[in-house]
Amino acid sequence: GAVVSQHPSWVICKSGTSVKIECRSLDFQATTMFWYRQFPKQSLMLMATSNEGSKATYEQGVEKDKFLINHASLTLSTLTVTSAHPEDSSFYICSARETGPSSYEQYFGPGTRLTVT
Amino acid sequence: GENVEQHPSTLSVQEGDSAVIKCTYSDSASNYFPWYKQELGKGPQLIIDIRSNVGEKKDQRIAVTLNKTAKHFSLHITETQPEDSAVYFCAAPFSGTYKYIFGTGTRLKVLA
Repeated sequence: GAVVSQHPSWVICKSGTSVKIECRSLDFQATTMFWYRQFPKQSLMLMATSNEGSKATYEQGVEKDKFLINHASLTLSTLTVTSAHPEDSSFYICSARETGPSSYEQYFGPGTRLTVT
Repeated sequence: GENVEQHPSTLSVQEGDSAVIKCTYSDSASNYFPWYKQELGKGPQLIIDIRSNVGEKKDQRIAVTLNKTAKHFSLHITETQPEDSAVYFCAAPFSGTYKYIFGTGTRLKVLA
């Protein structure tokens, strides 16, 4: 149980284009999903919290107009990197928290490697 | 806000030996402490967690201990095997939220 998938697993795009990454909880409902970015040999940095049916909340320093997040259902959140630039190249990872007030566990997807050329 | 420090940054052990990784946190209200294992090119995998109402939890070769007074928690891996080689991250929630702040990670190498 508690499986989270991401699609695509890797993507290469040209500078100035947009890329959409999907995050799905396969066997549980997730009111809350989180998006992280990880640079090589570094820790995970939280970008934003995605709540089903409401606007995402972004961490300080993360441009909400550049990283568009949509959480349209209890099993799907999407991250769209708009007008991508080479400095956006990174490993993007989502996680999902099972619905419930005492549920702290986050289950992570396999990640999406984005390369902007 | 919460701050999490993790040590050591790298750790090499001989196969069969034990490995210990330690994290300290700053927010005394934190009540949940997970450990994740991340292999190269993959997402983190939850390997064990502990809530603040217990001091120790064990799952086969893996254990986590929590010292609430000192505000630190540790991951213990016994009888290490080459497949334990990975990067390990601790995490703690921001006060009053479900968001995590992660430690800086420990690169564990188990030498055969």
